[in-house]
Amino acid sequence: EDQVTQSPEALRLQEGESSSLNCSYTVSGLRGLFWYRQDPGKGPEFLFTLYSAGEEKEKERLKATLTKKESFLHITAPKPEDSATYLCAVPRRGSGNTGKLIFGQGTTLQVKP
Amino acid sequence: DTAVSQTPKYLVTQMGNDKSIKCEQNLGHDTMYWYKQDSKKFLKIMFSYNNKELIINETVPNRFSPKSPDKAHLNLHINSLELGDSAVYFCASSQGVDTQYFGPGTRLTVL
Repeated sequence: EDQVTQSPEALRLQEGESSSLNCSYTVSGLRGLFWYRQDPGKGPEFLFTLYSAGEEKEKERLKATLTKKESFLHITAPKPEDSATYLCAVPRRGSGNTGKLIFGQGTTLQVKP
Repeated sequence: DTAVSQTPKYLVTQMGNDKSIKCEQNLGHDTMYWYKQDSKKFLKIMFSYNNKELIINETVPNRFSPKSPDKAHLNLHINSLELGDSAVYFCASSQGVDTQYFGPGTRLTVL
């Protein structure tokens, strides 16, 4: 069964303390992996799409990387405003042109000043 | 200039009632979705429409009926609401299977 698992479930960091979030998946024939940020009471906000192993993308303090089995979201010198839940998602195997995404349960990041 | 908007933002109602949630996107996308996010934050797809045609219909009770009057709108009607329907419902849109953009969500509480 296609699965997306994120770890850790929750992460507390001090401001400036770099760390990484993990997203592992079991879908074969990956057709993209998506990272989203979700603030409390809001909808998921798109961050990155990665398509092939070895690909990396950066945005401010965030860098997403992809291997054949997992993706990492690296947060360098985080600030309190980076506090949010980070979600990853992959298209379900055999979903063709339907855009059917499987989401992980998310990692809730709290950055303390 | 909100890209994906939903109304209402909050919806509190009694068991057994019928309610609707509306969604509109101004991104020119051809595909729209409804997701349900439960109390554990899990996002699960419910429906998807492409050019007004239903293309994804997950295992969702028949009480849920989506309707797409045009490419920019996708509404969700729920009949005979149950306690377990309480959740946050998100609308999203994409161009084909590209990146999906989400609305702000509708928090439904069934009493």
